[in-house]
Amino acid sequence: DTGVSQNPRHKITKRGQNVTFRCDPISEHNRLYWYRQTLGQGPEFLTYFQNEAQLEKSRLLSDRFSAERPKGSFSTLEIQRTEQGDSAMYLCASSRNQGALYNSPLHFGNGTRLTVT
Amino acid sequence: QKEVEQNSGPLSVPEGAIASLNCTYSDRGSQSFFWYRQYSGKSPELIMFIYSNGDKEDGRFTAQLNKASQYVSLLIRDSQPSDSATYLCAAGDDNTNAGKSTFGDGTTLTVKP
Repeated sequence: DTGVSQNPRHKITKRGQNVTFRCDPISEHNRLYWYRQTLGQGPEFLTYFQNEAQLEKSRLLSDRFSAERPKGSFSTLEIQRTEQGDSAMYLCASSRNQGALYNSPLHFGNGTRLTVT
Repeated sequence: QKEVEQNSGPLSVPEGAIASLNCTYSDRGSQSFFWYRQYSGKSPELIMFIYSNGDKEDGRFTAQLNKASQYVSLLIRDSQPSDSATYLCAAGDDNTNAGKSTFGDGTTLTVKP
């Protein structure tokens, strides 16, 4: 168990630019989640995958955000035309699906801190 | 109204005391509940999870769940300065769609030596 890995750790970009983040989950975990966290707030759900299928995307999420998990392993989160309000910590987490009744605990990566200037 | 509510704190307790953290949730269908600890500048890490009504103990930590009252709590016994952190409560989706977890905004705990 090498843990969840996220890259880059920090990203500074100018408003209007596109950015892409990568997440490598724990290898035996079939679920992968993206959350966003700002100072003083709890993690806010963005989207999650089971294997390569994107099962849910937050209704609050702008169309500028897109995520993929092409082979059911690593995932990428892209933000197009970044805005200053996108500045946040982007957290990836993975879990092993226990079935339909209960959620499994999340294992978080160290996050990617995005600053939009 | 947020789906998962926590007192933001800060909660301050002396070293060796019991810290009590509380959380309420709005989705009656939720079956899974979690407590995560988050140190400043770090990512959340799991402390405990609980699925059934009642108490669940793990070392100095006890999670309590009351589904009728939609209430979850975390007790930390013999609090240590290293327990100073933000504690996040999370509730899983309802039992027909066990997907994401929804987080509260956390309670900041300070344990004073």
